[in-house]
Amino acid sequence: QKEVEQNSGPLSVPEGAIASLNCTYSDRGSQSFFWYRQYSGKSPELIMFIYSNGDKEDGRFTAQLNKASQYVSLLIRDSQPSDSATYLCAVNSNFGNEKLTFGTGTRLTIIP
Amino acid sequence: ETGVTQTPRHLVMGMTNKKSLKCEQHLGHNAMYWYKQSAKKPLELMFVYSLEERVENNSVPSRFSPECPNSSHLFLHLHTLQPEDSALYLCASSRESFGTNEKLFFGSGTQLSVL
Repeated sequence: QKEVEQNSGPLSVPEGAIASLNCTYSDRGSQSFFWYRQYSGKSPELIMFIYSNGDKEDGRFTAQLNKASQYVSLLIRDSQPSDSATYLCAVNSNFGNEKLTFGTGTRLTIIP
Repeated sequence: ETGVTQTPRHLVMGMTNKKSLKCEQHLGHNAMYWYKQSAKKPLELMFVYSLEERVENNSVPSRFSPECPNSSHLFLHLHTLQPEDSALYLCASSRESFGTNEKLFFGSGTQLSVL
């Protein structure tokens, strides 16, 4: 079983719509959750992090965490072409010592 | 600009060459990392240094040799690589090493091709 699982996509969303990206994880002891955005040919950039159950909003981005169901999601409202990128989910898993585990990423394309 | 600088951006090398990747961070962080990113695979942690001491080595082949002379600089020395080592190599830093809430800041990466 993959430790952090994401749908690789591509996920195509019309401009102005809501893009929804999902991530599931296997370690129930995970405590912190991160979303990184990676443009093609560039390095990952942290855009959101969440530690507690519920929603966390930052501008057009909302991270949602449900520890009971072991999933974390990222919503992007009013999607723009500049949001087209690969989104990496990362989970801090406690396998004896803290370790940040990444998913394979979801490729998002915003269609003008 | 994340405050983490990597050189070179691109590197092509033969299997018998020796080369080094360089990383420098200007953020005052205490931890530095090497990650490998291959197509359709998750980011793979290779090495972690905390205050210049290596704290994790994820069973990386000995043809990859890290060096951390101080908390701002990190090198990855490469020798007798294989074609399957072709990938994007990313350096990252964080305030501390893998504390629960630590956030990683990545360099721009070195795209390595082994012929």
